[in-house]
Amino acid sequence: AQKVTQAQTEISVVEKEDVTLDCVYETRDTTYYLFWYKQPPSGELVFLIRRNSFDEQNEISGRYSWNFQKSTSSFNFTITASQVVDSAVYFCALSGRGAQKLVFGQGTRLTINP
Amino acid sequence: EAGVAQSPRYKIIEKRQSVAFWCNPISGHATLYWYQQILGQGPKLLIQFQNNGVVDDSQLPKDRFSAERLKGVDSTLKIQPAKLEDSAVYLCASSPLDSEQYFGPGTRLTVT
Repeated sequence: AQKVTQAQTEISVVEKEDVTLDCVYETRDTTYYLFWYKQPPSGELVFLIRRNSFDEQNEISGRYSWNFQKSTSSFNFTITASQVVDSAVYFCALSGRGAQKLVFGQGTRLTINP
Repeated sequence: EAGVAQSPRYKIIEKRQSVAFWCNPISGHATLYWYQQILGQGPKLLIQFQNNGVVDDSQLPKDRFSAERLKGVDSTLKIQPAKLEDSAVYLCASSPLDSEQYFGPGTRLTVT
């Protein structure tokens, strides 16, 4: 069975601080995909990134970066120089090969204080 | 490109009543998903369609929930009769084959 664990329920930091959101996953599949989604107060889930299990390269997109480590089954998300607009609930998710259902973690509520 | 559309955005009903939600996916997306998101939790898949066929409905409470996707485009999700524990946000998502899912704004259901 697939499982995603986001141990951090809530994180609160002051603007401009760096913050890392942790994600640990479990799967028996050799081919799988990992995702991060952002859910702002409006409620819509916004796609941030998708990585496949064969690509362990870290990725950077502006202030966002992702660290994928198969050895520890982790896919962590770092926001550098956080801004108030980054306040949201962030979900890590896992899917198997092909267009399959997403298994979500419980989410981490991130609050950036001015 | 228009995103995933859902309606209504909010619905309040009494227990034992019925309710229906509508979803219009992104044009050309073959796969459509309905998720249930209970407050404080991550979304949970209810049903997945590919074109107009069901791929996965293993977590759909079939005694009260039903869904259809007409002509492989729009979809409706129905609950009859509703229970208090059905209070949640119902999210529709769509994707091209083997690609990331794009979500609609959701329908917030409150059952009293």
